[in-house]
Amino acid sequence: DQQVKQNSPSLSVQEGRISILNCDYTNSMFDYFLWYKKYPAEGPTFLISISSIKDKNEDGRFTVFLNKSAKHLSLHIVPSQPGDSAVYFCAALAAQKLVFGQGTRLTINP
Amino acid sequence: NAGVTQTPKFRILKIGQSMTLQCTQDMNHNYMYWYRQDPGMGLKLIYYSVGAGITDKGEVPNGYNVSRSTTEDFPLRLELAAPSQTSVYFCASSYVGEQYFGPGTRLTVT
Repeated sequence: DQQVKQNSPSLSVQEGRISILNCDYTNSMFDYFLWYKKYPAEGPTFLISISSIKDKNEDGRFTVFLNKSAKHLSLHIVPSQPGDSAVYFCAALAAQKLVFGQGTRLTINP
Repeated sequence: NAGVTQTPKFRILKIGQSMTLQCTQDMNHNYMYWYRQDPGMGLKLIYYSVGAGITDKGEVPNGYNVSRSTTEDFPLRLELAAPSQTSVYFCASSYVGEQYFGPGTRLTVT
């Protein structure tokens, strides 16, 4: 029973272009969504979040969009930079517990 | 602030051995968590704590035990190590919303 799904295990994008990472969820009780970035041999680091009462949140090059009716969220990175190459996890929060997706490995090509 | 620290970074255990993974946070967070991450998978919650003296099971608690005697420390105990417990273990803490992760402990059971 995968409540949070990231259906693309990997994504390759040219430097300077837009990266779009997608995430779907099934549980309507989730009220807060987060994206984490993870480099090898390090813990995940918080990137950006969005409350269920909003449909968009921006922070510099990062924008998260939430479509509640479709139970879908996406992370846009523009422009993509080589340092953005990492594994990105989508997570959903309910009762102070996070449920994670499987992750998408993003590779930015020069 | 050191944030969330974990020791050891790496450990190899023989089947049936026991060990304790240490986790300390200096942010005065009430909530603390233990996750495991298997290859190609997202993080799965093992145990969590909402404050000193209070712990509860997560999604995959079997084979593990925790205690929370102080706000700062949240050790994870493996009593009888099994090969299925080979994984990377992450500790996290939060006040509300986003969680902050430690660097992880890579555990191999052979």
